[in-house]
Amino acid sequence: LAKTTQPISMDSYEGQEVNITCSHNNIATNDYITWYQQFPSQGPRFIIQGYKTKVTNEVASLFIPADRKSSTLSLPRVSLSDTAVYYCLVGVPGAGSYQLTFGKGTKLSVIP
Amino acid sequence: EAGVAQSPRYKIIEKRQSVAFWCNPISGHATLYWYQQILGQGPKLLIQFQNNGVVDDSQLPKDRFSAERLKGVDSTLKIQPAKLEDSAVYLCASSLLRSPSGANVLTFGAGSRLTVL
Repeated sequence: LAKTTQPISMDSYEGQEVNITCSHNNIATNDYITWYQQFPSQGPRFIIQGYKTKVTNEVASLFIPADRKSSTLSLPRVSLSDTAVYYCLVGVPGAGSYQLTFGKGTKLSVIP
Repeated sequence: EAGVAQSPRYKIIEKRQSVAFWCNPISGHATLYWYQQILGQGPKLLIQFQNNGVVDDSQLPKDRFSAERLKGVDSTLKIQPAKLEDSAVYLCASSLLRSPSGANVLTFGAGSRLTVL
């Protein structure tokens, strides 16, 4: 299973862009990179998923370099409600054993 | 669509007692997961079902934990007897076997918080 490494915590002011980088040096060819967000007393919630290059949706962008050994979650113009823990995961989708391993995540604190 | 339902939301028991958690996944999701999340840590996978069969239970403490998914829909996770270190949030998640994009996205329930005294 690919292991991920993220910063333990980050602080940001409201309105700024936040970039959280995740290292996954032993990512496998078929692995996808997925980011989840977790608020206190809630289960993790899917944010974005990608395989290579750049993926963008209505809440975030995901940048994946060509070697895929790292990825960066970009949150544009964060607000106080973006204060949460963000998890980066890698895993192989599809049939059979598919274990998603969560690390400790990155605790993002947005400051007014 | 309705989300993943879990109950109870909170449970307090004494050590050596038993407890059971219930999960109802999103309709049509073939894969169901139980995770344990200890305070301050990321979720840890306990068991993964595909339909009503176990795909992975390598991290399930089988001497005290058991889980079943009868008829490939609802699932229950049981702990007997409970230990102090079992205090955690137990998260259930479900996913399609294979999404149209080829990727696999988990939808989590709100979790069941267990306190063992």
